[in-house]
Amino acid sequence: AQKVTQAQTEISVVEKEDVTLDCVYETRDTTYYLFWYKQPPSGELVFLIRRNSFDEQNEISGRYSWNFQKSTSSFNFTITASQVVDSAVYFCALSAADRGSTLGRLYFGRGTQLTVWP
Amino acid sequence: EAQVTQNPRYLITVTGKKLTVTCSQNMNHEYMSWYRQDPGLGLRQIYYSMNVEVTDKGDVPEGYKVSRKEKRNFPLILESPSPNQTSLYFCASSLSPTGVGSTFFGQGTRLTVV
Repeated sequence: AQKVTQAQTEISVVEKEDVTLDCVYETRDTTYYLFWYKQPPSGELVFLIRRNSFDEQNEISGRYSWNFQKSTSSFNFTITASQVVDSAVYFCALSAADRGSTLGRLYFGRGTQLTVWP
Repeated sequence: EAQVTQNPRYLITVTGKKLTVTCSQNMNHEYMSWYRQDPGLGLRQIYYSMNVEVTDKGDVPEGYKVSRKEKRNFPLILESPSPNQTSLYFCASSLSPTGVGSTFFGQGTRLTVV
């Protein structure tokens, strides 16, 4: 079974603080993909990153960075020097790809509401 | 511009009145799916389609129907809507089932059933 846990329901920070959103996943598949999406107050889902299970390199994109650790089944997301525009709900998701898995299902965590105060 | 288009964006309807939410993509994607988003539950898959005339249930298919007669369209049908189907719905498409190459989401349809 596939499962994604985002234990932090809500996080509040003040602008310019760094913040890390946690994501822990469960899967028995050896091939899988992990995703992060942002959902601003307007409601649309914005794709942020995709990482496959064979690529454990951390990634940095501007103020965003992701730390993928298979040993702890975690795929955490850090925003450096947060800004008010970062306020949104952030979802972590998993897609399993081994033979026999139901290809295509994205399993989402419950989301973390991030509020950045000016 | 590559996009997934859902209509309508907002819908208020009454219990039992059949409705259809349309979804169309212009990227020639084979894989399409529907999700519903509820507070505190994240997004859950309702149905998905691997290609034309190939559909299968997701995690929460009860009360919904889908069809895939053309590659670009994947409508979601609620034959007899009930208040527990009040939710935010998203259509998604991707070139491959695992989302390699990214999964594109529609803008969302906020449905209220009274």
